[in-house]
Amino acid sequence: QSVLTQPPSASGTPGQRVTISCSGSSSNIGRNYVCWYQQFPGTAPKLLIYGNNQRPSGVPDRFSGSKSGTSASLAISGLRSEDEAVYYCAPWDDSLNGSVFGGGTKLTVL
Amino acid sequence: QVQLVQSGAEVKKPGASVKVSCKASGYTFSYYDIYWVRQATGQGLEWMGWVNPKSGNTVSAQKFQGRVTLTKNTSINTAYMELGSLRSEDTAVYFCARRNNLYYYGLDVWGQGTTVIVSS
Repeated sequence: QSVLTQPPSASGTPGQRVTISCSGSSSNIGRNYVCWYQQFPGTAPKLLIYGNNQRPSGVPDRFSGSKSGTSASLAISGLRSEDEAVYYCAPWDDSLNGSVFGGGTKLTVL
Repeated sequence: QVQLVQSGAEVKKPGASVKVSCKASGYTFSYYDIYWVRQATGQGLEWMGWVNPKSGNTVSAQKFQGRVTLTKNTSINTAYMELGSLRSEDTAVYFCARRNNLYYYGLDVWGQGTTVIVSS
């Protein structure tokens, strides 16, 4: 069981804006930067957001991240069918001395 | 191009050990920590530990301490993850990834994954 809490599923229709939450604690989200990863079935995860709200080159600006206190969020605007994937939050955790992962949220585009 | 290439699938019996390799290319191997993550079928990502290729220092998740050994061979730009005393619950895909300080320790390059099946 993860030290981070994400909703197991989320959904939206094309063009909509969807938000995925990630709840942690003072030892992880509260004190450290958060990354988000996108994973398609059968493939390795891909870094989507780093430093709470920064996008690596090549990631569309439809994806945005935010953090407040011990919670973080990933927002996807202008939802597209190709966004259907599993999304993981991943902050560093001081007590574990490692980068931990949320349980993952499966996004379905209806 | 920057990439991590992992060794092939393994089938092991309970109690055995498995050693997965992760070969880096396209960048200076010693500059970035290598992270190990596993994923059981239909499950989420689970961090296992990381190794600093320059110093050889390692950190392992408490769950795997005593069972996992993380090493590196800088002469061939390769990191290794060895997991011992295998049990059926260790059946999973094992990934290595590069941790990039420029990305606030985000894992920006991933290997393709290595499937390890533990079965009698």
